[in-house]
Order: sequence, then C-alpha cells, then structure tokens
Amino acid sequence: KQEVTQIPAALSVPEGENLVLNCSFTDSAIYNLQWFRQDPGKGLTSLLLIQSSQREQTSGRLNASLDKSSGRSTLYIAASQPGDSATYLCAVEFPGGSEKLVFGKGTKLTVNP
Amino acid sequence: SAVISQKPSRDICQRGTSLTIQCQVDSQVTMMFWYRQQPGQSLTLIATANQGSEATYESGFVIDKFPISRPNLTFSTLTVSNMSPEDSSIYLCSVVGRRNNEQFFGPGTRLTVL
Repeated sequence: KQEVTQIPAALSVPEGENLVLNCSFTDSAIYNLQWFRQDPGKGLTSLLLIQSSQREQTSGRLNASLDKSSGRSTLYIAASQPGDSATYLCAVEFPGGSEKLVFGKGTKLTVNP
Repeated sequence: SAVISQKPSRDICQRGTSLTIQCQVDSQVTMMFWYRQQPGQSLTLIATANQGSEATYESGFVIDKFPISRPNLTFSTLTVSNMSPEDSSIYLCSVVGRRNNEQFFGPGTRLTVL
C-alpha cells in the first residue's frame, strides 16, 4: 500500500529558529513529491515540487530535499517567522496513480514571537 | 500557476439534502481532481473529473453519492448527495499545471451538515 507519513504531528518553536519537517513514503519509485502549506480552514498553497530526478528545491527560506532510496523528504525552514505558522503537508505522486497525490497527515507548525 | 475558484466557500446544510460545489479554473487543464478533508485529517481523493466521460472514483466513493460533472476543460462540479453529518468536511478541487505536473488547489468549500 502506498502511504505517506509525516513527523512530528505538531511542532512549536520560537521565532528565528531553523527547523526541519520530515516526510517518509513507501515505494521509492515515485514520480514527484510536493510540499504544501495550509492555513486553518483554507485551501492548499503549493510550496515546492521535487521531481524524482531531483535531490532538492529551494524557494526563499524554504529548502526541500528528496532521498528516494531511503523514502524520505525534508522541508527545511530557515529563520522561522510567526507568519510561517500553518500546517505543512507532504504529498507524493506514485507510479500508476494517474497523477493523483497521496497525502501525509501534516505537521502543524507554530512559531512563537 | 493556475488560479482556481470554488463556490460556495462554505455552507451549512440539513441532513438528507444535496449540495453542488463548483470549481472554475482560469485556464484549460486536462486533469481535475476532487478531494475531501475530514476534520483533523489529511486529504483523500474522491475522484478524477474527466472531460467528456464519467469521473473515475477512488475506492470507497461512488457516483450516486458524489456525482461529478466536467462539461469543459475549465469547469467541474461535485455534488454531495443525501448528506449526513459524516459528510461535514472541506471539499477541494485541484488541477495539474502544464509544467512539471505541479498540482494547484482551490480555496476549498467548508461543508457542515446538521
């Protein structure tokens, strides 16, 4: 069964701290992995997409890495800000899935001023 | 990126009634999806909305409960039929962008069934 797991489920940090969110997935033969941000009661905002042939992607203070062999991805957030507080979701497109995404349960991040 | 709108943004409905949710995209897209996010849970795919043919439903979801229309490449509707409180969720549509298979999501429809 194709599954995506995210740990921790929740994380609280002081403002300015660097942090890492973890995502693991079964079946290393993925097409791509996407990180999203979701604010309470809202839709999803795409943060970064990593293709299966890539090892990392960067956007501003965000850096996502991909290690297919170990079935892991990390989302690194530098110099965290209170505005980064949200739930971060990892989603994987597996082969044979017709472009559908399998989501983890998310990590709820709180950055305290 | 694609700009996606959904209507309504939220609704409170009575048990046994039906609600149709609209999803509009600002460009033509091949793949459109409908997801459900139950309270405190992550997203689960309901179905793929196919243009010109019936939707493809995931295990556990059926057409009688969640009929879907896709009349053209920019629009789709999802109906939640004969609602019960267990249908209270956020319903989201998504599309696959033209570049790199990146997926984009609408703002969601928050449904509460009493």
